[in-house]
Amino acid sequence: GAVVSQHPSRVICKSGTSVKIECRSLDFQATTMFWYRQFPKKSLMLMATSNEGSKATYEQGVEKDKFLINHASLTLSTLTVTSAHPEDSSFYICSASAVRADTQYFGPGTRLTVL
Amino acid sequence: SQQGEEDPQALSIQEGENATMNCSYKTSINNLQWYRQNSGRGLVHLILIRSNEREKHSGRLRVTLDTSKKSSSLLITASRAADTASYFCATGLLSGGYNKLIFGAGTRLAVHP
Repeated sequence: GAVVSQHPSRVICKSGTSVKIECRSLDFQATTMFWYRQFPKKSLMLMATSNEGSKATYEQGVEKDKFLINHASLTLSTLTVTSAHPEDSSFYICSASAVRADTQYFGPGTRLTVL
Repeated sequence: SQQGEEDPQALSIQEGENATMNCSYKTSINNLQWYRQNSGRGLVHLILIRSNEREKHSGRLRVTLDTSKKSSSLLITASRAADTASYFCATGLLSGGYNKLIFGAGTRLAVHP
């Protein structure tokens, strides 16, 4: 149990375009989903936290107009990187947790390359 | 911002040896969790230890927590080549009704056959 999927696993896009990444909890209801960014050989940096049906809470320094997060249902959250630039190239990982649960279950990640 | 610092940054051992990784943090926590990440993949949850616990075991894994020193350790006994991965500690902080994780820098473990 506790499987989280991400789609796509890899995406290459041109500078200036927008990219949407989906995160789904497959076998449980995720009241809270988290989005992280990871640079090569570095740790995960929390970008934002989203609760189903409400606006996401962004960490300090993360541009909410740049990284749009939607958590429309208990099994789906999306991250849209708007007007992508090469510096947005990174590994994006989502995680999900059930109500009042301490453990987060992570998706396999999405590698974004902006040319 | 990162809460934890891990030590060592990299560890190289032979199969059968034990591997110990340490994690230090700065603020009060609700729990501390250890995760494993294979190169280019997502994270796999290994073990969670609550702030009122001192030691926890899971198979070949042993985790300790010392809240007075704000530190934790992960011991992998009888290591195998398949244990090669990066290991991250993450401190759990209650925030807005959910458990927010702040990750350490990670330890890259290489186990040689």
